[in-house]
Amino acid sequence: DSGVTQTPKHLITATGQRVTLRCSPRSGDLSVYWYQQSLDQGLQFLIQYYNGEERAKGNILERFSAQQFPDLHSELNLSSLELGDSALYFCASSGHSGGAYTGELFFGEGSRLTVL
Amino acid sequence: DQQVKQNSPSLSVQEGRISILNCDYTNSMFDYFLWYKKYPAEGPTFLISISSIKDKNEDGRFTVFLNKSAKHLSLHIVPSQPGDSAVYFCAASGDNNNDMRFGAGTRLTVKP
Repeated sequence: DSGVTQTPKHLITATGQRVTLRCSPRSGDLSVYWYQQSLDQGLQFLIQYYNGEERAKGNILERFSAQQFPDLHSELNLSSLELGDSALYFCASSGHSGGAYTGELFFGEGSRLTVL
Repeated sequence: DQQVKQNSPSLSVQEGRISILNCDYTNSMFDYFLWYKKYPAEGPTFLISISSIKDKNEDGRFTVFLNKSAKHLSLHIVPSQPGDSAVYFCAASGDNNNDMRFGAGTRLTVKP
């Protein structure tokens, strides 16, 4: 158990719809990352937040948005969904709360999105 | 933009032999390099890392080598065990884990 919780685990929806994926980081971790893994693809970096502020941005579509709340949980919003958005979406967190730097991300189990 | 590349999608080795997984990167500003292991239906889990000031880091059966001039790193697993069968992702980041980028992964199969 990594300590990172993602909900929902599975989600099936239709094209054109909007969904929200939620992530609770490990206790004390200030950074949250979102990654997309499509079929047989690697982990595509979408976006990173640190203590509520956007820290880095990857190949995130304009139809997607994210935020990190004061309690440090994060949400990834996917709108105007297309068939190609079907993927596993992973959230990860890392520790920047005063502990020793380990260079490690802790991943949740992912949210599997299927767009029909 | 593929800043981290794993050119071998799969690798098969015999139990007890050495597994060598390779990774190349393009961004010379990366400070940390990591390997993650992923089993089906689970999130990736951290395996081993190396900072850009070192050229080797060892942890039990796992050793990571970094060649900064070639922008290349490799993961050696010896001896390989069937339980090592998984997808291995190479990752790289700037300082403080900013903007961590992953390769496409290599599926390792260790045959008994």
